[in-house]
Amino acid sequence: GAGVSQSPSNKVTEKGKDVELRCDPISGHTALYWYRQSLGQGLEFLIYFQGNSAPDKSGLPSDRFSAERTGGSVSTLTIQRTQQEDSAVYLCASSLRIRGSRGSYNEQFFGPGTRLTVL
Amino acid sequence: TQLLEQSPQFLSIQEGENLTVYCNSSSVFSSLQWYRQEPGEGPVLLVTVVTGGEVKKLKRLTFQFGDARKDSSLHITAAQPGDTGLYLCAGAVASGYALNFGKGTSLLVTP
Repeated sequence: GAGVSQSPSNKVTEKGKDVELRCDPISGHTALYWYRQSLGQGLEFLIYFQGNSAPDKSGLPSDRFSAERTGGSVSTLTIQRTQQEDSAVYLCASSLRIRGSRGSYNEQFFGPGTRLTVL
Repeated sequence: TQLLEQSPQFLSIQEGENLTVYCNSSSVFSSLQWYRQEPGEGPVLLVTVVTGGEVKKLKRLTFQFGDARKDSSLHITAAQPGDTGLYLCAGAVASGYALNFGKGTSLLVTP
């Protein structure tokens, strides 16, 4: 399909294990974002990639979290030594810059998310 | 600190009723977007507003951006069960930056 895809859709792991979450953005989208959504909460920004620029990592909650984007396309979010509080839905989005007469903005398209459960 | 406050948090209404969801902030946004999310899926973009005072209509949905670009509202006329979902507002403080999301309004429309 033409949308953002994420894998796996569900991941159950034991506390202390490492996990890798994958995101395939929409072809041609230069920006890619990772968010985390906990029960009853809005989306929490984690990290943002824009083209070849250095990523904005300001939302990563700890140094156990890291992400990379290879070849300007696929991205992997890695969580090391998982903790129970890491349990959440991890959402990936890609965006296209819209340049309109009233200014430019990004329209983000989201994948279905990966539900991570840490036991 | 939550940059965007949404109200109400939960809303349960009957089919045919009208409703308004509010999104407020003390920050100015270059653009503001509304998303709808269903269980097990990612948010789906409904609309983007970029100009203060702008009003956009999408069938029975009316979106308004405040004059000062700090707040927005979503009005649904004659709600239908298919409108059920989590409505999220999200603002960008500058073009190219990640979005700041509100916690959402969970809407349930019963037949």
